Amino acid sequence: EAGVAQSPRYKIIEKRQSVAFWCNPISGHATLYWYQQILGQGPKLLIQFQNNGVVDDSQLPKDRFSAERLKGVDSTLKIQPAKLEDSAVYLCASSLMPGAGGTYEQYFGPGTRLTVT
Amino acid sequence: SQKIEQNSEALNIQEGKTATLTCNYTNYSPAYLQWYRQDPGRGPVFLLLIRENEKEKRKERLKVTFDTTLKQSLFHITASQPADSATYLCALDDSSASKIIFGSGTRLSIRP
Repeated sequence: EAGVAQSPRYKIIEKRQSVAFWCNPISGHATLYWYQQILGQGPKLLIQFQNNGVVDDSQLPKDRFSAERLKGVDSTLKIQPAKLEDSAVYLCASSLMPGAGGTYEQYFGPGTRLTVT
Repeated sequence: SQKIEQNSEALNIQEGKTATLTCNYTNYSPAYLQWYRQDPGRGPVFLLLIRENEKEKRKERLKVTFDTTLKQSLFHITASQPADSATYLCALDDSSASKIIFGSGTRLSIRP
């Protein structure tokens, strides 16, 4: 079974520039998550999709971050404009839809390490 | 306020001993709790899930306990090996918000 794919793996940009990350979840997983992980901290949920719809985006800085999940499969996360404090690893995860016999066990991609200079 | 706390200091254990990691939480009422392993440069990998009505769960050399009265989960690795060295994250469900909240993790080092 193929895992969660993310690209790029690394990105360096200057502040005020924009950047986009891509995620392809495990086939059949209805729920997709984007997390931000700052060095030394646990992953912080930015946005959670169930199929095409947003379940939770309460911690997404909506003035600069946006995310979409087209056709309930792939997803992109965008930052525009970037700030220095956005330097972090951005993790994508997917899971079966809760309540459909699956748990919230999440499968993570390798992440994208973003450095904002 | 709501908090999830894991050992903030790194844990250094002699090979062969049992490593015990702690996860405490306040102002949550999770239906279940999960443990993940994270290696440098990689995403977390799911290890075990324990539900609120389960006291203990085992998988090979791993054992997890869940005490809803103490609001604590303990994660044990028996017969530890250098390959067990990693950061271990606990995560619980925030049932009021239908999402998972992660702790900050504990870095475990097993020395030969």
